[in-house]
Amino acid sequence: GAGVSQSPSNKVTEKGKDVELRCDPISGHTALYWYRQSLGQGLEFLIYFQGNSAPDKSGLPSDRFSAERTGGSVSTLTIQRTQQEDSAVYLCASSLGGPEGELFFGEGSRLTVL
Amino acid sequence: RKEVEQDPGPFNVPEGATVAFNCTYSNSASQSFFWYRQDCRKEPKLLMSVYSSGNEDGRFTAQLNRASQYISLLIRDSKLSDSATYLCVVAGTALIFGKGTTLSVSS
Repeated sequence: GAGVSQSPSNKVTEKGKDVELRCDPISGHTALYWYRQSLGQGLEFLIYFQGNSAPDKSGLPSDRFSAERTGGSVSTLTIQRTQQEDSAVYLCASSLGGPEGELFFGEGSRLTVL
Repeated sequence: RKEVEQDPGPFNVPEGATVAFNCTYSNSASQSFFWYRQDCRKEPKLLMSVYSSGNEDGRFTAQLNRASQYISLLIRDSKLSDSATYLCVVAGTALIFGKGTTLSVSS
């Protein structure tokens, strides 16, 4: 498809397990963002990639969170030793340029940590 | 002070009403500003960019006041389909979202 694709769409895991979330941006989009949204809350910025590098990692909530992007395309967000407070919808977005460009969001990955 | 602040609402208005949302931001170096719309359980989508001179798109008008670090969105002649959460977005090194203002338009 032509849009941003995220997988899995839903993930239920046990506390302490590691999870990996994937984002496939729109082809040609150099900027890629990860956000998370808890129920009834706003979007919390996690990390931003320009190409394969991350100019801004300031939003990652702890060292259990990491993200990488390879080949200027697909990105993975990894959460180690998940905690219940990690439960949220993780949204990925991409744009053609830098922060001034329109963001196109995927449908999100809903993570539930039991 | 939070980076981007919005009144969460909810704003409950009848069809045809005019409603205004406000947003303040803390980073004076911010260069780009946007309003996004998010429907329930859906991903956010760009509503409009906000330009220094102010800009209009049909029933929607956006204003920017750099001196006060303040952005506004005015919706005229509200429709039922305008019911959504409106997110103020400010670009610094990354795009930072406010928590959103919820609008409910009733018949």
